[in-house]
Parts: sequence; C-alpha cells; structure tokens
Amino acid sequence: DAKTTQPNSMESNEEEPVHLPCNHSTISGTDYIHWYRQLPSQGPEYVIHGLTSNVNNRMASLAIAEDRKSSTLILHRATLRDAAVYYCILRDVFPAGNKLTFGGGTRVLVKP
Amino acid sequence: SQTIHQWPATLVQPVGSPLSLECTVEGTSNPNLYWYRQAAGRGLQLLFYSVGIGQISSEVPQNLSASRPQDRQFILSSKKLLLSDSGFYLCAWKRTGDNSPLHFGNGTRLTVT
Repeated sequence: DAKTTQPNSMESNEEEPVHLPCNHSTISGTDYIHWYRQLPSQGPEYVIHGLTSNVNNRMASLAIAEDRKSSTLILHRATLRDAAVYYCILRDVFPAGNKLTFGGGTRVLVKP
Repeated sequence: SQTIHQWPATLVQPVGSPLSLECTVEGTSNPNLYWYRQAAGRGLQLLFYSVGIGQISSEVPQNLSASRPQDRQFILSSKKLLLSDSGFYLCAWKRTGDNSPLHFGNGTRLTVT
C-alpha cells in the first residue's frame, strides 16, 4: 500500500490559517487522498478528499500538488475546536482499496 | 440516515479473561466493516475488515479474532486477554464499492489489568 508521511505536530494561533502537509511519493494513479481528524476520546471524522484537483468544503480546503506526490490540508481560520489529530490516508478506487490504513497523523495545537 | 453503534464505551477486564465487543450499523446494507485499535498516544492500527457476511480479513496476527454473523454486525473477540490488548477500539463502516468516507463509532476504551 502507498504510504503517507506527516509531521508529528503543529501549532497555530486561534483565528490564523493552518497548513498541514502530507507526503505520498508512491501514490498510484487510482489513489484518492483522504483526510480525517480525531478529537480527543472520539473516533475519527471525515474532513475532505480529492484526486487531482483542489477541493473545498465547509470544514477545510485540500490542495494537491500537480505531481500528486504531496498535498496540504488547509484550515482557513483555526479555532480551539480544531485541536485534533489529522490523518492523511490514500484510498485506491478499486476494490483492493477496501483495506484502509492510517499513519500517525499530525497533532494540531491551537493557542488562544 | 445511517448510524453506527458500538458498545460498551469502557471496559476493564483482567488478564486471561475473554472479550466480546459488538458493533452494529443501521440504515445501510452490505457495508464494509472495520475494527481498529489505538494505543495511548498512537495512531490507528487496522485489525480486521470485512466486505461481507462471514468474510474477514486479518491485518495483524494476534490474540484477537473478528466475526460477521449478520450483514450489519461486526464482533471483535478474544479468548484470553493480554495486557497489551489495552487500548481504544474503534469500529467503522463505509459503503461498498465507492469512494465514500469511513464513518467511525464512538469507540470502546479497554483496560486489561
């Protein structure tokens, strides 16, 4: 399975943007890039996903490099409720992609 | 709408005792089902996943087993718990065959003493 690499932790000030990088240099042409976040003592929740084009939703934006070997999750204005662990994972569009593995994620700390 | 139920929320069990954690999904049919474990301060480790009744794929050889006796029921079991089985156990589901996201339950925090 293609793997992802993320920094262990990042800090941000409240109301400022947060850019979370993810490297996936062995990504295949059929891998989607998915992001989840996990609040303390809860199960992860879906944030956003994309294939080639940049994506926006109410939670965040996803910027995907032209060669698809890296991506960045952007939280436009961090709030204290955004303090969580953010996971970047790759999902194959084919049935083999039923196996979904998570890496260590990035722990985001938001300072008031 | 679809919901996922996982219980119990917390569990304290002695070493050597059996384990049974249950997960059920409502509002969908033939989901893909997953069991993950998270040790304290660590990432999620995929334990088992299932694409249909009776079909279980094991990712990590260990002290645990999984079963899917019904379409929307996924059970994680152990005959004899070890201290190393302590952790946060998460069940998740997704629709089969498309790129829809994973939906997680609220988890079971297991402490083996």
